[in-house]
Amino acid sequence: QVQLVASGGGLVKPGGSLRLSCAASGFSFSDYYMSWVRQAPGKGLEWISYISNSGLSTDYRDSVKGRFTISRDNTKNSLSLQMNSLRVEDTALYFCARDVSSGGIDLWGLGTLVTVSS
Amino acid sequence: EIVLTQSPGTLSLSPGERATLSCRASQSVGGSYLAWYQQKRGQAPRLLIYGASSRATGIPDRFSGSGSGTDFSLTISRLEPEDFAVYYCQQYSSSPTTFGGGTKVEIK
Repeated sequence: QVQLVASGGGLVKPGGSLRLSCAASGFSFSDYYMSWVRQAPGKGLEWISYISNSGLSTDYRDSVKGRFTISRDNTKNSLSLQMNSLRVEDTALYFCARDVSSGGIDLWGLGTLVTVSS
Repeated sequence: EIVLTQSPGTLSLSPGERATLSCRASQSVGGSYLAWYQQKRGQAPRLLIYGASSRATGIPDRFSGSGSGTDFSLTISRLEPEDFAVYYCQQYSSSPTTFGGGTKVEIK
């Protein structure tokens, strides 16, 4: 079954860290660029980061640069997002997502909730 | 970054009616690199349209996309009960990729 399963979310204090993971199955993971997209409660979608299929190229939105690090392990079909120096405004549902060369994101995980609160 | 403005914020329609959703970009979206997504409550988004007008795999032909440059639209020709949801546009022409604020299509 083609799917993405994200995990690792939870409650963390401002300034803390979390590591999100995403397990991919049912497709050739190493062929695809992957992204993290988040959605604050009751709000819209916000792209966070992407990583190329090889892992050699990454990019981040400005608000998370220097705090978040995306990585992947193609031998384990896994995607990760290391989040440091978390802020209250990072509170959101985090989706891992598969980018397609034709454009857009054609596969989304269910999301893992990150809550940053004191 | 390219800002996408979706209108209206909420569209109240009845099943069987036609829905037209707008997405306007703050600058030209090169290559018509624009996608549309549907999101139902408690679910992940679903890709409907990419390249402004190409339907994704398995998407019914009542969904159609059009536009270029700064003005894009998503049309649902006849609303089915399962189409009541929130719709987002996304541009992937320039980094960072950005999403619109969404249009909620609700039952009138």
